[in-house]
Amino acid sequence: NAGVMQNPRHLVRRRGQEARLRCSPMKGHSHVYWYRQLPEEGLKFMVYLQKENIIDESGMPKERFSAEFPKEGPSILRIQQVVRGDSAAYFCASSPGLAENEQFFGPGTRLTVL
Amino acid sequence: AQSVTQPDIHITVSEGASLELRCNYSYGATPYLFWYVQSPGQGLQLLLKYFSGDTLVQGIKGFEAEFKRSQSSFNLRKPSVHWSDAAEYFCAVGNQAGTALIFGKGTTLSVSS
Repeated sequence: NAGVMQNPRHLVRRRGQEARLRCSPMKGHSHVYWYRQLPEEGLKFMVYLQKENIIDESGMPKERFSAEFPKEGPSILRIQQVVRGDSAAYFCASSPGLAENEQFFGPGTRLTVL
Repeated sequence: AQSVTQPDIHITVSEGASLELRCNYSYGATPYLFWYVQSPGQGLQLLLKYFSGDTLVQGIKGFEAEFKRSQSSFNLRKPSVHWSDAAEYFCAVGNQAGTALIFGKGTTLSVSS
């Protein structure tokens, strides 16, 4: 059973470009979470999705950021018109959504904005 | 406000020595508590978790943690540290299984020979 997969692992963008980060949850997991880790900081929650639904986006910046988890395919975190402050590691986690479950983390995507 | 505090940014211990990493939380509801470990350039791996029941929980790689409600703490311990334990350790809290986690800023562990 493959773990949570994220791609790309490293992404370089110039200011103003778009960044698309993909996350494939573990098999059988229907809940996906996105977190951002800035240098020397802990992980900060961004958004929580279930299939075709955004459950909690309280940690998502109001502009330029969006997320989706379609019925088929991976979850996508999209950042439009990237700025240098978006440079960070973005982690995806998945869970089966059952009681007392844990979140399984992917290896992360390290975004660098030039 | 809900928060997790890891007071120690960086700790160095000798190989074979005991280890305790501190974690304090502020949470309005019954906390679900976790410790994760992150090696450089890698994702997070769960070491152990506490939901309810016995306040001393055992995890992988010989780690354990004790939940102390009166002190709002969930400290991580290991009796004998190995060089491979060098990594960054994160404490996290959630209000119920399946919701977003709040992480501390992490403690970097270095192991000296």
